[in-house]
Amino acid sequence: GAGVSQSPSNKVTEKGKDVELRCDPISGHTALYWYRQSLGQGLEFLIYFQGNSAPDKSGLPSDRFSAERTGGSVSTLTIQRTQQEDSAVYLCASSLVGTDQETQYFGPGTRLLVL
Amino acid sequence: AQSVTQPDIHITVSEGASLELRCNYSYGATPYLFWYVQSPGQGLQLLLKYFSGDTLVQGIKGFEAEFKRSQSSFNLRKPSVHWSDAAEYFCAVGPSGAGSYQLTFGKGTKLSVIP
Repeated sequence: GAGVSQSPSNKVTEKGKDVELRCDPISGHTALYWYRQSLGQGLEFLIYFQGNSAPDKSGLPSDRFSAERTGGSVSTLTIQRTQQEDSAVYLCASSLVGTDQETQYFGPGTRLLVL
Repeated sequence: AQSVTQPDIHITVSEGASLELRCNYSYGATPYLFWYVQSPGQGLQLLLKYFSGDTLVQGIKGFEAEFKRSQSSFNLRKPSVHWSDAAEYFCAVGPSGAGSYQLTFGKGTKLSVIP
């Protein structure tokens, strides 16, 4: 595929359940980013991957949030014991480090609703 | 810490009228600056970016933006708005140099277009 893809597009879950959100970056992009977009907070950075390592996890809001990236490609963002305040759109972006000034290209997002 | 201010939460213009969306940033060095557009239910699409050189940059869909260092601004303009331009627009700033990662976004400006 030409762009960043994310799945699922929408997710409705009950409070206390765990959810997994998936991001498939643009082929060859070494950097991957997760952001959260919510009504009250706007767009917030969550975590950055360079290859499979995450040198910057500073944006993760609590230890219920974790992410991994395998094979330098697909990434999964996991939210454990979801809370209603986790309801938001989770956006993934990727970039090619070292060229194109690391311009980030975004996926369509996953809309998470916690009931 | 870097920050981005978009002073206008909502702007309404008539189709065919000119448009200017304001963006001011706070950053310690020369920033990388971006404008993204988000249509309802969609991800972020890159409109244009500034890294260095000519301070007037051209983007897709007939948009342009001008970097003014003295005013710490990066305003987005379009000479004639089309109904399809109705969307939310985000200005963002990134660290410059190798290893840049997270973007800091403004709160966004929602554009409505009157036929």
